[in-house]
Amino acid sequence: DSGVTQTPKHLITATGQRVTLRCSPRSGDLSVYWYQQSLDQGLQFLIQYYNGEERAKGNILERFSAQQFPDLHSELNLSSLELGDSALYFCASSVAGRDAGELFFGEGSRLTVL
Amino acid sequence: AQSVAQPEDQVNVAEGNPLTVKCTYSVSGNPYLFWYVQYPNRGLQFLLKYITGDNLVKGSYGFEAEFNKSQTSFHLKKPSALVSDSALYFCAVRHSGAGSYQLTFGKGTKLSVIP
Repeated sequence: DSGVTQTPKHLITATGQRVTLRCSPRSGDLSVYWYQQSLDQGLQFLIQYYNGEERAKGNILERFSAQQFPDLHSELNLSSLELGDSALYFCASSVAGRDAGELFFGEGSRLTVL
Repeated sequence: AQSVAQPEDQVNVAEGNPLTVKCTYSVSGNPYLFWYVQYPNRGLQFLLKYITGDNLVKGSYGFEAEFNKSQTSFHLKKPSALVSDSALYFCAVRHSGAGSYQLTFGKGTKLSVIP
């Protein structure tokens, strides 16, 4: 158990809809990262938050947004969903500092868009 | 930009034999390199990392990795494979931007250990 909690584990929805994925980082971790895993694209970095502030942005679509709340949990919002958004979405967390490169991953949220 | 390449989509090895999963990297500056493993329907689990120091890094579950600067490689190895090692293995490099530590992952290599 990595200590990172993601909900829901599975989600099935229709095209055009909006969903919210939730992540609770390990106790004490200030950074949260979101990744998308799909068969054709592999693991793609979406966005990082550090202590409530956006720190880095990767290949995140404009239809997607995220935020980190004062209690450090994070939410990833996916809107106007398309079939191609079906994927496994991972949240990871890390401590701040020199060793921050070691990320701890949650079990993921599997999104299916029909 | 940092990147890693895993040239093999799949590696098959017999149980008890040594295994190697290959990774090459491209970075500006000093490389911070990682290996993760993903079992079916699970998240990624950290195996080991190279930051600095000895070129041979030891990690979890008997795995080790050899950093080779001249060949820009960071191959994952294990002296004797177990069936339970069958999984998807990812090599990753840490981003070097100020204050951001996200990892860039390779495409992954599926390891199958045959009984």
